[in-house]
Amino acid sequence: AQTVTQSQPEMSVQEAETVTLSCTYDTSESDYYLFWYKQPPSRQMILVIRQEAYKQQNATENRFSVNFQKAAKSFSLKISDSQLGDAAMYFCATFEAGNMLTFGGGTRLMVKP
Amino acid sequence: GAGVSQSPRYKVAKRGQDVALRCDPISGHVSLFWYQQALGQGPEFLTYFQNEAQLDKSGLPSDRFFAERPEGSVSTLKIQRTQQEDSAVYLCASRQDAGGSEKLFFGSGTQLSVL
Repeated sequence: AQTVTQSQPEMSVQEAETVTLSCTYDTSESDYYLFWYKQPPSRQMILVIRQEAYKQQNATENRFSVNFQKAAKSFSLKISDSQLGDAAMYFCATFEAGNMLTFGGGTRLMVKP
Repeated sequence: GAGVSQSPRYKVAKRGQDVALRCDPISGHVSLFWYQQALGQGPEFLTYFQNEAQLDKSGLPSDRFFAERPEGSVSTLKIQRTQQEDSAVYLCASRQDAGGSEKLFFGSGTQLSVL
């Protein structure tokens, strides 16, 4: 079974600064996908960024980038130039052969003005 | 529709009552998923539909949980004889294609409170 671990229940960052959220996972597959989702108080899960495991290049989406370390099974999210609107719960998730996403326990990100 | 719609947004039930939660996926989306999210935790998979076929129900916690998607569009998650441990947010998600890593679109969930 897949497991996804987010070891930081809460993180805090000053507005305009950079913060990194950690995620480790366990899988027996060689081909899989990794995701970071944002969940604001509205509860809707919003896709932030996606990484294919077979790609060595780290994914980037505007202010969001990942540090994917396949051998270490680590997939951290870096948020640059943090904004107040970035405050939310962030979930790391894996997708293997099959059809379900497996989520970590989440990290609550607070952004201080 | 423009997005995945779930109703009701909030549901309060007395222990032992039956509840039905509705999900309207994006029009034309083949795949539909239900997730259960307990307070302070990540979502956990319940069940998956491809069109009207329920291909995976391995995440349903007990036989009190039942899901259907009879015409391959709207889906209903039914919980019979609700228990306090059923209190959670129930999220629905849809995907355009049958497989692969294509983007899942989530609804805003139904928050179920069992008293």
